[in-house]
Amino acid sequence: EAGVAQSPRYKIIEKRQSVAFWCNPISGHATLYWYQQILGQGPKLLIQFQNNGVVDDSQLPKDRFSAERLKGVDSTLKIQPAKLEDSAVYLCASSWRGGADTQYFGPGTRLTVL
Amino acid sequence: QKEVEQDPGPLSVPEGAIVSLNCTYSNSAFQYFMWYRQYSRKGPELLMYTYSSGNKEDGRFTAQVDKSSKYISLFIRDSQPSDSATYLCAMRAGGGNKLTFGTGTQLKVEL
Repeated sequence: EAGVAQSPRYKIIEKRQSVAFWCNPISGHATLYWYQQILGQGPKLLIQFQNNGVVDDSQLPKDRFSAERLKGVDSTLKIQPAKLEDSAVYLCASSWRGGADTQYFGPGTRLTVL
Repeated sequence: QKEVEQDPGPLSVPEGAIVSLNCTYSNSAFQYFMWYRQYSRKGPELLMYTYSSGNKEDGRFTAQVDKSSKYISLFIRDSQPSDSATYLCAMRAGGGNKLTFGTGTQLKVEL
């Protein structure tokens, strides 16, 4: 069974530029999560989708971050404009239905904002 | 005060040692407790999953939860160099979806 796929694996941008990350969850998983993991910290949930609807985006900085999951499969996370403090690893995870179901994580996208 | 506190380490032990990793938490609504292992430049992978208080064993790994003290532990017996990774505790309230992670403890098992 293929795992969660993410691309790109690494991205370096200048502050105020925009950037987008892509995630393909495990086939059949209805729930998709985006996490931000700053160096030396645990992952922090940014947004959770159930199929193509948003379940929780309470910690998403909506003035600069946006995410979508059209057709309930792949998802993209965008940052526009990026700030220095956005430097982090952005992890995508998926689970069968959400709730107590195990979350499977992708390898992450490491973003450096200069 | 953070909801979940975890000593970041690094923790260095010789091969074969027993390792104890711990987290404390403040939110009494947490009922589901997990330990994730994260190798360098990889995503976290679920290692252990427990509900409420008690112990759970899986091979060389034992997870303990003491809800009265708001304290959870992961024990690794006969540690191996392949156990070298960052270990993250994570918790979830009953009926909730959101996982709250600790900061992670970096473990190095040396030959």
